Amino acid sequence: NAGVMQNPRHLVRRRGQEARLRCSPMKGHSHVYWYRQLPEEGLKFMVYLQKENIIDESGMPKERFSAEFPKEGPSILRIQQVVRGDSAAYFCASSPGVSYNEQFFGPGTRLTVL
Amino acid sequence: QKEVEQDPGPLSVPEGAIVSLNCTYSNSAFQYFMWYRQYSRKGPELLMYTYSSGNKEDGRFTAQVDKSSKYISLFIRDSQPSDSATYLCAMSAQGNNRLAFGKGNQVVVIP
Repeated sequence: NAGVMQNPRHLVRRRGQEARLRCSPMKGHSHVYWYRQLPEEGLKFMVYLQKENIIDESGMPKERFSAEFPKEGPSILRIQQVVRGDSAAYFCASSPGVSYNEQFFGPGTRLTVL
Repeated sequence: QKEVEQDPGPLSVPEGAIVSLNCTYSNSAFQYFMWYRQYSRKGPELLMYTYSSGNKEDGRFTAQVDKSSKYISLFIRDSQPSDSATYLCAMSAQGNNRLAFGKGNQVVVIP
């Protein structure tokens, strides 16, 4: 059973460009979460999605950030007009259902903004 | 006050020693408690998962939750060099899947 998959593993963007991070949950998991890990900081929740629905986006910055989990395909975290402060490791996690809180993490995407 | 406090100070122990890690929290609604292990530049790996108060043991790992004190612990017995990693506590409330994490504790087991 493959684990959570994320790609790309490393992404370099210049200021003002767009970053797209992809996440495929574990087989059988329908819930996806995105977290951000800044240097010297713990993991911070960003958004929780189910297929075609955003359940909780309380951790998402108000501007430039968006997320989706379409009916088909991976979940996408999109960052428009990136700035240097967006440089971080972005982790995706998945779980089987709402009553099952164990979340399994992917290897992360390390975003560097030049 | 932060939701979850975890002293990030590095911890060095000799091989075979017991590693003791802990976190405190302020949100009394938290009911699910987890410990993750994260190797350098890797994703967090779920180690232990407990619900409400009590103890849970899995091999060399023991997790304890004391909800009255808002305090959780992880013990690693007979520590091995391969246990060298950062250990993150995480927790969530009933009906809320958002995990709140501590900053993580870097552990080094010296052969």
